Amino acid sequence: EPEVTQTPSHQVTQMGQEVILRCVPISNHLYFYWYRQILGQKVEFLVSFYNNEISEKSEIFDDQFSVERPDGSNFTLKIRSTKLEDSAMYFCASNDLAGSEQYFGPGTRLTVT
Amino acid sequence: RKEVEQDPGPFNVPEGATVAFNCTYSNSASQSFFWYRQDCRKEPKLLMSVYSSGNEDGRFTAQLNRASQYISLLIRDSKLSDSATYLCVVILLDTGRRALTFGSGTRLQVQP
Repeated sequence: EPEVTQTPSHQVTQMGQEVILRCVPISNHLYFYWYRQILGQKVEFLVSFYNNEISEKSEIFDDQFSVERPDGSNFTLKIRSTKLEDSAMYFCASNDLAGSEQYFGPGTRLTVT
Repeated sequence: RKEVEQDPGPFNVPEGATVAFNCTYSNSASQSFFWYRQDCRKEPKLLMSVYSSGNEDGRFTAQLNRASQYISLLIRDSKLSDSATYLCVVILLDTGRRALTFGSGTRLQVQP
C-alpha cells in the first residue's frame, strides 16, 4: 500500500539553526500539507501546497517557514532560524482530491535546544 | 470559542463496553467531517468519514447533526486495541480551504 514517508524521524538542532524536513507524498497525489503537533497539544495546520504553489497557510506559518517541491517526489519544510517553541512533531500529508482522505506520514520529531 | 471541541477524557472502559464520544464545531460552514485515530507518538489515521445520514463501519458508528453542529462516534464491543486518542476533524470546503481542523482529541483506555 502506498504511503507517505518522512525523513529524518528525529532531528535535534540548536536554536537559531536552519532545518529542512523532508517528505515524499504518495506518488499520484496532488495536494500536500504540513501540520505540527506540540507535545500534549492538538494537531495544527501549517500550510497546503497545490500546483507548485502555496494554496493556504495558517498564522503559524510566518516568514521563518517555507515549503518547496524541488523535484517530482520530495516536499520539504524549511525553518530558517529555529526557536525553542518550534519543538514539535511535524507531519506531512497528501491527498488526490480536495476534501478526500489525507494520508499522513509518520512525522519528524524536531527538538530545538 | 474553539473551532472543534472535544471532551479530553480519558475514558476508561472495560473490554466489551460501548463508549460514545462527542464533538462540537463552531463554524456552520464546515463541510466535511471525520474521525481520526491517533496512537501515542504516531501519526493520525482516518477512522471514518462522517455523513449527514450517519454511517457505520463494523463496531463504529458516526453521526452528524448539522443543526446542533455536533458529531458523535460510538464504539461497540470495545477491544484492547481500540485504546488510542480519537480526533474529531472538520474541513471548511466552501472557502476553498482544504486543511483539516483538529479537535484536541478524546483519549480512550480499554482495560482487560
